[in-house]
Amino acid sequence: DSGVTQTPKHLITATGQRVTLRCSPRSGDLSVYWYQQSLDQGLQFLIQYYNGEERAKGNILERFSAQQFPDLHSELNLSSLELGDSALYFCASSVQGDTEAFFGQGTRLTVV
Amino acid sequence: GQNIDQPTEMTATEGAIVQINCTYQTSGFNGLFWYQQHAGEAPTFLSYNVLDGLEEKGRFSSFLSRSKGYSYLLLKELQMKDSASYLCALNTGFQKLVFGTGTRLLVSP
Repeated sequence: DSGVTQTPKHLITATGQRVTLRCSPRSGDLSVYWYQQSLDQGLQFLIQYYNGEERAKGNILERFSAQQFPDLHSELNLSSLELGDSALYFCASSVQGDTEAFFGQGTRLTVV
Repeated sequence: GQNIDQPTEMTATEGAIVQINCTYQTSGFNGLFWYQQHAGEAPTFLSYNVLDGLEEKGRFSSFLSRSKGYSYLLLKELQMKDSASYLCALNTGFQKLVFGTGTRLLVSP
């Protein structure tokens, strides 16, 4: 158990819908990262927050948004869902830069 | 931007040694991570190289050469449970990790 909690574990929804994925980082970790992993694809960095502020942005679609709350948990919002958004979404956390990142077990999103 | 290359798949026999290579092109980075990922599971940390050279950790070792844009992960005394994907990732600053697509290792008896 990495100490990073993601909910829900599985999510099935229809095209055009909106979902929210939640991540609770390890206690004491200030940074939260979101990654997308499509079937047989590598991990794609989406976005990073540090202590409530957006720190870095990767290949995140405009239909996707995220935030980190004062208690340091983070949410990833995916809207106008398309079939191609079906993937594993991982959250990771670390204390701050240049330290090991710990990954949650992921949320498997299936868009039908 | 960054570009990371790893072989897609490798096979090896139980008890053997395997070297998984990672080559990269980047304008700068803080360090290079190796993660292990079993299918459908979360990646787990194996090693982090900041300086050139070899870092040994039990059966696993990782090597970095910044001048050559090259890293490798060395797995010794392979076990069946080592069958997994091995991901090389550049730490481009403030823990923004850019991952390669990973190398799927199949260990056979």
